[in-house]
Amino acid sequence: GAGVSQTPSNKVTEKGKYVELRCDPISGHTALYWYRQSLGQGPEFLIYFQGTGAADDSGLPNDRFFAVRPEGSVSTLKIQRTERGDSAVYLCASSSSLGLAGEGNEQFFGPGTRLTVL
Amino acid sequence: AQKVTQAQTEISVVEKEDVTLDCVYETRDTTYYLFWYKQPPSGELVFLIRRNSFDEQNEISGRYSWNFQKSTSSFNFTITASQVVDSAVYFCALKMDSSYKLIFGSGTRLLVRP
Repeated sequence: GAGVSQTPSNKVTEKGKYVELRCDPISGHTALYWYRQSLGQGPEFLIYFQGTGAADDSGLPNDRFFAVRPEGSVSTLKIQRTERGDSAVYLCASSSSLGLAGEGNEQFFGPGTRLTVL
Repeated sequence: AQKVTQAQTEISVVEKEDVTLDCVYETRDTTYYLFWYKQPPSGELVFLIRRNSFDEQNEISGRYSWNFQKSTSSFNFTITASQVVDSAVYFCALKMDSSYKLIFGSGTRLLVRP
């Protein structure tokens, strides 16, 4: 079966522009996560979806970042007025459970979108 | 606060050597989960293992083995008879029982030279 897919694989944009990054989770996975990985660092949590709703968005750095998952499957991470500091690899993951606290189900990651803000 | 520390930034070994990657974690929760992921040059994180805090039994999977010690808050990963294909960045991660997110260490880059 197909794994988590992300598009585009690379995105180069100019400072101040708006970007959308797409994630298609593994079919049937109800839990979806976004992480951001800066060069030389481990991934950092951004937001978690349970179905269509954002159950935890505590990792979003500021209000320029927003994510949606309108039908409980595909998710889009949106970044407004991009800044050079937003340059990173944005990773999406999904898990088969509800991802609830109390469960340790592994998260399966996509290949990421490398965002470069010039 | 919860934290994962991977003190080894980079390790270089010659093929067939054994190598151990260290992971130390911090949490006050009594129930938590520990993970190891591999990130090859292609960039995709590959799940290797999950351990819950109540299971301190060590695990072996082929050339891979994991040593979980709650007394020292460590979850170390050993590769026996390393191969060039093992070259990658390896991440240790922690998930609390009360949370949804994974907390990653900064990773250890392993280079296996032929």
